[in-house]
Parts: sequence; C-alpha cells; structure tokens
Amino acid sequence: QKEVEQDPGPLSVPEGAIVSLNCTYSNSAFQYFMWYRQYSRKGPELLMYTYSSGNKEDGRFTAQVDKSSKYISLFIRDSQPSDSATYLCAMISASKLTFGTGTRLQVTL
Amino acid sequence: DTGVSQDPRHKITKRGQNVTFRCDPISEHNRLYWYRQTLGQGPEFLTYFQNEAQLEKSRLLSDRFSAERPKGSFSTLEIQRTEQGDSAMYLCASRQGEKLFFGSGTQLSVL
Repeated sequence: QKEVEQDPGPLSVPEGAIVSLNCTYSNSAFQYFMWYRQYSRKGPELLMYTYSSGNKEDGRFTAQVDKSSKYISLFIRDSQPSDSATYLCAMISASKLTFGTGTRLQVTL
Repeated sequence: DTGVSQDPRHKITKRGQNVTFRCDPISEHNRLYWYRQTLGQGPEFLTYFQNEAQLEKSRLLSDRFSAERPKGSFSTLEIQRTEQGDSAMYLCASRQGEKLFFGSGTQLSVL
C-alpha cells in the first residue's frame, strides 16, 4: 500500500464549477501538507501549504486537513480553463516530501 | 519561475551512454533534492543534500546513479550505462523551511 493515495482521474468539469480533490495517507508522521499544480512538461508549482487540521483559504483555493481521518482536500471555486493541470498532494515527514499520484483536471468551456 | 534552474531541459541518448544533469538551486537554500517522475505518476524521491553533504538516498538510486553537490552550490546527477527504464523527468528542488520549490525538470529519453 502506498503511503499517499490519490485518485488519478481524469476529472472533467465545466467552467465555473467547484472542484474537490482529495488524498488519503497512512503515515501518522506526516506533519506538513501541500498541494502542487503541474502543467504538462513543467515542474510542480507550490499552491497551498498547511500544517494543522482545519481549513486554509487563498483566493479561489481552499486546503483542508483532517489529521484524525488522515485525509486532505483541495477545493477550487469558480474553476477556470487555466486551472486545467495535474494536482499533486504532498506530505513531509522528517527530511523528504512524499507525493500522491496526481489528479488530472480538465476544466471545459 | 521558481528560481531553480535545470539544464538541459531535454536529453535524448542511446542505451548504454552516460548522461549528466545540472541543477542550480535558489542561492540561499542549503537543502537540495532530486526526484524522478514518470508519466502518470507523482515525483519519487531520489536523494537530498544539505550543503555539500548527501544525507539520504532512495533505494531507487541504483549504483549507476551518482549525485554530487560540490561546495554546497549547484548539483549534478549522473546516470551511467543508461537503460530504457531510466526514461523519465528528473526534477530538482531547493527547500526553504518546509516548502520545496521545483525546477522545470530534465526530460530524459533513452532510445
């Protein structure tokens, strides 16, 4: 079993929709939780970074962490075609960052 | 642009050849990471440096792979006797606090 599980999608939504992306994890040592966005043939770009359980909002993006359930989410409001990308959850334990598989999102006009 | 530079962006090589990639991290970051990413997968940890010291290596890093970071500045990743299974995107990241900033990667194709 992988330490971090993420549905690879693809997920297709119409412009303006609310998108929900999720990851589960098994390692209780994970302390910091991140979401990266990756466009085709580019490196991952840090979107959101959280430490504690609860919600963190940044513009159209909300990151949610539930440590008791070992579950994290990213919500995207008013989705735009420019949001079409792969979204990777990632978690830090001690020295290294462990990624999920990534969910490919397509926002259609 | 995150400030992490990788060179080259693309590399095509024949099986059995050696290749070397370079990463220039953000100058004030003392921790540098290498990851490998294949199509449809998330990046997988290979190794990391704190300054010039290589502190951790993944079991993915076979003896054909070697990484260096002389003087704690840029880093190189060398793959000897490349195999088709080495075809992937090789990503470098530098770390500030708990945040990793990635370069655009080097896409390696082994024919």
